[in-house]
Amino acid sequence: DAGVIQSPRHEVTEMGQEVTLRCKPISGHNSLFWYRQTMMRGLELLIYFNNNVPIDDSGMPEDRFSAKMPNASFSTLKIQPSEPRDSAVYFCAGGASSGANVLTFGAGSRLTVL
Amino acid sequence: QKEVEQNSGPLSVPEGAIASLNCTYSDRGSQSFFWYRQYSGKSPELIMFIYSNGDKEDGRFTAQLNKASQYVSLLIRDSQPSDSATYLCAVGGASNTGKLIFGQGTTLQVKP
Repeated sequence: DAGVIQSPRHEVTEMGQEVTLRCKPISGHNSLFWYRQTMMRGLELLIYFNNNVPIDDSGMPEDRFSAKMPNASFSTLKIQPSEPRDSAVYFCAGGASSGANVLTFGAGSRLTVL
Repeated sequence: QKEVEQNSGPLSVPEGAIASLNCTYSDRGSQSFFWYRQYSGKSPELIMFIYSNGDKEDGRFTAQLNKASQYVSLLIRDSQPSDSATYLCAVGGASNTGKLIFGQGTTLQVKP
């Protein structure tokens, strides 16, 4: 298995532009998590899905952020419009409902908003 | 009060020494506890997890859990320069959702 696949790995955009980050989870993992990591705030949980259904989006900073999981093999995190304070590394992580609650992280998408 | 707290460090130890990393959490209902390692510019990777009070050993790593004190620790024996990284403590809640809350991480430096 190729693990959790995220794209793009790096994105540089200008304030006000729409940003879409993508994630392909590991086959068989039925939970998917979007985290954001910054030096100041560390790893913050934004939203998570279980069996493609959003369960908890309380970590989504504001309405500019939205996430979807249309099927078990794909999820997107969208920021519209983007702002410089959104600059961070965004991680997608997957887990199986059975077992030890272990999360496997993707390589991350580093976003820079100018 | 943060939900999961760690000393940011850096914690500096000489090669071959024991490194001790600590973590406290606020939710008494927490059921699962994890240690992740993150190298600079990389994603977090699981080192080990612990569910029950006491010690759990895996090679050079030992996780210790004390639920009464709401305290988790990670000991790294015979520290190597390759252990230099940020160590993240993560805590799972009472329900088995897989949702983890992470601490800010402790940076460990192992000097040759």
